[in-house]
Amino acid sequence: NAGVTQTPKFQVLKTGQSMTLQCAQDMNHEYMSWYRQDPGMGLRLIHYSVGAGITDQGEVPNGYNVSRSTTEDFPLRLLSAAPSQTSVYFCASSPGTSGYQETQYFGPGTRLLVL
Amino acid sequence: AQTVTQSQPEMSVQEAETVTLSCTYDTSESDYYLFWYKQPPSRQMILVIRQEAYKQQNATENRFSVNFQKAAKSFSLKISDSQLGDAAMYFCAYRTPTDNYGQNFVFGPGTRLSVLP
Repeated sequence: NAGVTQTPKFQVLKTGQSMTLQCAQDMNHEYMSWYRQDPGMGLRLIHYSVGAGITDQGEVPNGYNVSRSTTEDFPLRLLSAAPSQTSVYFCASSPGTSGYQETQYFGPGTRLLVL
Repeated sequence: AQTVTQSQPEMSVQEAETVTLSCTYDTSESDYYLFWYKQPPSRQMILVIRQEAYKQQNATENRFSVNFQKAAKSFSLKISDSQLGDAAMYFCAYRTPTDNYGQNFVFGPGTRLSVLP
């Protein structure tokens, strides 16, 4: 049981390039989400999904796309990278969409540098 | 909108001593969940403790305990017998009860805890 995995661990992009940050979980969790972490600002929600085929925007969705074709995978796409997207990105999942199972489990993070 | 405030950007504690990290939040909800997460230098986010708002009893996990004051919207974390491995960034987080189409965690800006030998 690997939990939540993210690839790559570190990436350097040039302005205007596109890329996909991968996220996978093997816990059969319904809920998955993407956050970005910037100094002094905690974590901010980018996009989330409450199940396969269902996604929605979080607090800071501009410049990012997501899809959820399977329960396990939740990739985050940067359409045209900008220096403002330099950040650490975390993927997280939780078992259900209601009730006591509210805890989110986080991946190890992806550090992205946009030049 | 819900907000979470951590007024102490940095704290330090002597090894084996006790330290309390502060967290306040703003919400109009009556039912919600509160969390403390630890982020060591490895950047992995690790759940420390969780509290349900409808429970009056303060949550405890080994050396970690909370002081939950619902009326004051305060949720502080107490670390007893501090260890060098407790050094990390600590995030307070709030989460509303979920429905089928919306979930949201709101995180505070974090408190960096140093443990001095």
